[in-house]
Amino acid sequence: EVQLVESGGGLVQPGGSLRLSCAVSGFTFSNYAMSWVRQAPGKGLEWVSVISGSGGSTYYADSVKGRFTISRDNSKNTMYLQMNSLRAEDTAVYYCTKGKVPVTTNTAFDIWGQGTMVTVSS
Amino acid sequence: EIVLTQSPGTLSLSPGERATLSCRASQTVSNTYLAWYQQKPGQAPRLLIYSASYRATGIPDRFSGSGSGTDFTLTISRLEPEDFAVYYCQQFGSSPRTFGQGTKVEIK
Repeated sequence: EVQLVESGGGLVQPGGSLRLSCAVSGFTFSNYAMSWVRQAPGKGLEWVSVISGSGGSTYYADSVKGRFTISRDNSKNTMYLQMNSLRAEDTAVYYCTKGKVPVTTNTAFDIWGQGTMVTVSS
Repeated sequence: EIVLTQSPGTLSLSPGERATLSCRASQTVSNTYLAWYQQKPGQAPRLLIYSASYRATGIPDRFSGSGSGTDFTLTISRLEPEDFAVYYCQQFGSSPRTFGQGTKVEIK
């Protein structure tokens, strides 16, 4: 069974940092692009970032570029999102998602984790 | 950035009725790289349709997608009680990947 389990969320002050993790199982992790998608309370979905299977290609939403860094460790079947200079508007549930089609980053997301809540507040 | 505009914002229908949801892009979505997701309260989204018209694994055939270029449609042929939810379109052909703002399908 394919599983994605996020961790690392919590309460952080504005300007602070947090690192999210997404541990996966049930598929060949290195074959698939992975992505982070977030959802502010009561709002719609916002794509945050995507990383290729090898980790060699990464893309970001303008709202997080320069502050967030996506990475992966294929030996640990884990993806990360390092979030720096956090702002109140980064408050959201952060979902880890798996690309449906192997190799490419141009893919829909067929498996989603349960999400981890990040709250940025003083 | 490709902006996706979904309409209507809310669709009020009865079980058994047909639902037609629209997603319009501000620019051509390359290679029909467009997906539809369903989200119920307190749950993660679920992939319904990818590449505009292909049903994801396990999705009932009452869900269908169509369109190309800048205009895409999700159709639910006959609404079941479990279909009342929020639906999002998303393009994954260019960066940044973007989502529409969502259409809520509610019970009339």
